[in-house]
Amino acid sequence: EAQVTQNPRYLITVTGKKLTVTCSQNMNHEYMSWYRQDPGLGLRQIYYSMNVEVTDKGDVPEGYKVSRKEKRNFPLILESPSPNQTSLYFCASSFWDREDEQFFGPGTRLTVL
Amino acid sequence: QKEVEQNSGPLSVPEGAIASLNCTYSDRGSQSFFWYRQYSGKSPELIMFIYSNGDKEDGRFTAQLNKASQYVSLLIRDSQPSDSATYLCAVNGGQGAQKLVFGQGTRLTINP
Repeated sequence: EAQVTQNPRYLITVTGKKLTVTCSQNMNHEYMSWYRQDPGLGLRQIYYSMNVEVTDKGDVPEGYKVSRKEKRNFPLILESPSPNQTSLYFCASSFWDREDEQFFGPGTRLTVL
Repeated sequence: QKEVEQNSGPLSVPEGAIASLNCTYSDRGSQSFFWYRQYSGKSPELIMFIYSNGDKEDGRFTAQLNKASQYVSLLIRDSQPSDSATYLCAVNGGQGAQKLVFGQGTRLTINP
């Protein structure tokens, strides 16, 4: 089954404790992206990647890191989480020229205390 | 900062009526436009996309684009309770680059 998976789905952590949210897709997509969703603000892009070893900042990259060492994986790293990073996070993927077929993962709800 | 604006609602429509959702965007160079539906606690699901001025119909859904007015809308005919969700408008300024900018979403409720 074609899918984007994220882990964990739910996470409660404390300020400053490094964490990684994993994202994996099995569709051989070149393009992958991370978004955060906050009430009243819609989805905001954090980082995106057009292919292996190619990443770029989205609109809200501060406090986040990403890597793209393999085509299928695009982890989101919070090296020192803060309460303002409490949010719902979505990973998405598609072929680079098929923006009309973007697949979203199920979401990760992160709470930073 | 490129912006996409939607009325956050909630928009309440009786079952069987037409629901009209609106979106404006600030980047005149935007080339592709999307409507996503998001049920509570779920991930967004693409329901319509449009690239050219005019109307595009798919079943009960019609997307309308007016680039001169920087306006895109979604009409849902014969609204059903299952259409109750948040609808997100998204705009992409570059071909293939996929830097999607989303609006804040409009919450739609269909009343039986």
